[in-house]
Amino acid sequence: DADVTQTPRNRITKTGKRIMLECSQTKGHDRMYWYRQDPGLGLQLIYYSFDVKDINKGEISDGYSVSRQAQAKFSLSLESAIPNQTALYFCATSDPATGYGYTFGSGTRLTVV
Amino acid sequence: ELKVEQNPLFLSMQEGKNYTIYCNYSTTSDRLYWYRQDPGKSLESLFVLLSNGAVKQEGRLMASLDTKARLSTLHITAAVHDLSATYFCAVDFLGGGADGLTFGKGTHLIIQP
Repeated sequence: DADVTQTPRNRITKTGKRIMLECSQTKGHDRMYWYRQDPGLGLQLIYYSFDVKDINKGEISDGYSVSRQAQAKFSLSLESAIPNQTALYFCATSDPATGYGYTFGSGTRLTVV
Repeated sequence: ELKVEQNPLFLSMQEGKNYTIYCNYSTTSDRLYWYRQDPGKSLESLFVLLSNGAVKQEGRLMASLDTKARLSTLHITAAVHDLSATYFCAVDFLGGGADGLTFGKGTHLIIQP
């Protein structure tokens, strides 16, 4: 099993619908992140969490919300999806105490029509 | 605000040639990451550079870090087709309690036989 698992892998939704992307990890890392990737723009940070009680906005948090249900689970929600939220979404984890590496999930390709 | 700039953003080269991708960043950071991404796939960690003067090599790829110049390079030696991919550099932001990686826009590398 993958260390960082994202579900669903692909999703097509309609404008105005609420959608949740889920991320779970078996790394035991406290820090979790949600990134968005658009063609030609690299990855941009949406939200990050240091632990269950600590949630922080990243550079592009508008239109998104998150929930850290447990150390291992970090969900991203689009309350009312719009077409320009069509992108590839990645979840990642890190733990500075064990090194400075980041582990990325396989990504969720979201299309809003 | 931390900015990360890569150049070139697109590179087409022939097998057997050498080339260098450059990554400049705007704010103090001692942690520089290089990732590879194949189309539609997740990010594969290539190198983590943790100190000034750090140099790491893996196969035909070599990465270096100059924290005083705020510059990292990814050098490709005797390129082969299998190295065709998009390469990202990313930097940890050290200040203000922020966390997570700031990415460059990526270098789309095509290696032609």
